[in-house]
Amino acid sequence: NAGVTQTPKFQVLKTGQSMTLQCAQDMNHNSMYWYRQDPGMGLRLIYYSASEGTTDKGEVPNGYNVSRLNKREFSLRLESAAPSQTSVYFCASVTGGSPNTGELFFGEGSRLTVL
Amino acid sequence: GENVEQHPSTLSVQEGDSAVIKCTYSDSASNYFPWYKQELGKGPQLIIDIRSNVGEKKDQRIAVTLNKTAKHFSLHITETQPEDSAVYFCAAVRPGTYKYIFGTGTRLKVLA
Repeated sequence: NAGVTQTPKFQVLKTGQSMTLQCAQDMNHNSMYWYRQDPGMGLRLIYYSASEGTTDKGEVPNGYNVSRLNKREFSLRLESAAPSQTSVYFCASVTGGSPNTGELFFGEGSRLTVL
Repeated sequence: GENVEQHPSTLSVQEGDSAVIKCTYSDSASNYFPWYKQELGKGPQLIIDIRSNVGEKKDQRIAVTLNKTAKHFSLHITETQPEDSAVYFCAAVRPGTYKYIFGTGTRLKVLA
């Protein structure tokens, strides 16, 4: 049982390049999330998907796009990377449903550097 | 939207002492308040949570208290040990939004 798996774990990009962070969970969870973690800023919500087929903006969505490919997978795309997007990115999932709160399970993180 | 403030940003305690981390939230409709621990190089993991119909919850050396009127909640760790050294995050969730909004984190150092 792998839980939440993120790829890649490390990536270096040049300004203007694009890339996609992949996330997959094997817990049959309904809701999935992308957060970024920066020093002194905590965990900030980029996008989330409450259920398969839906996606919504979080606190800091600008510069990102997401795709909920199926119930297991939720990807985050940077179309034109900027140095301000240098961060550690975490994917998370939760059972969801009603009540729609419970334990968020996080992946190990993806460290992205934009030069 | 919801905003969560967390203090202090860093906290150093002697082994065996207690540690307290405080959070305030802005949305009075939020009803679920989890705490996460993040060890170096890992993703955060849930350590304890509390719902708005409860004022206090304990799990061994860890406790969380909630004051709905003041919109405050706190994490208490007693008899701290070196393995408690980590970054701790609080969060608040408003029902129906699916949004888990986190505080800025507290780096706890337990000195042996």
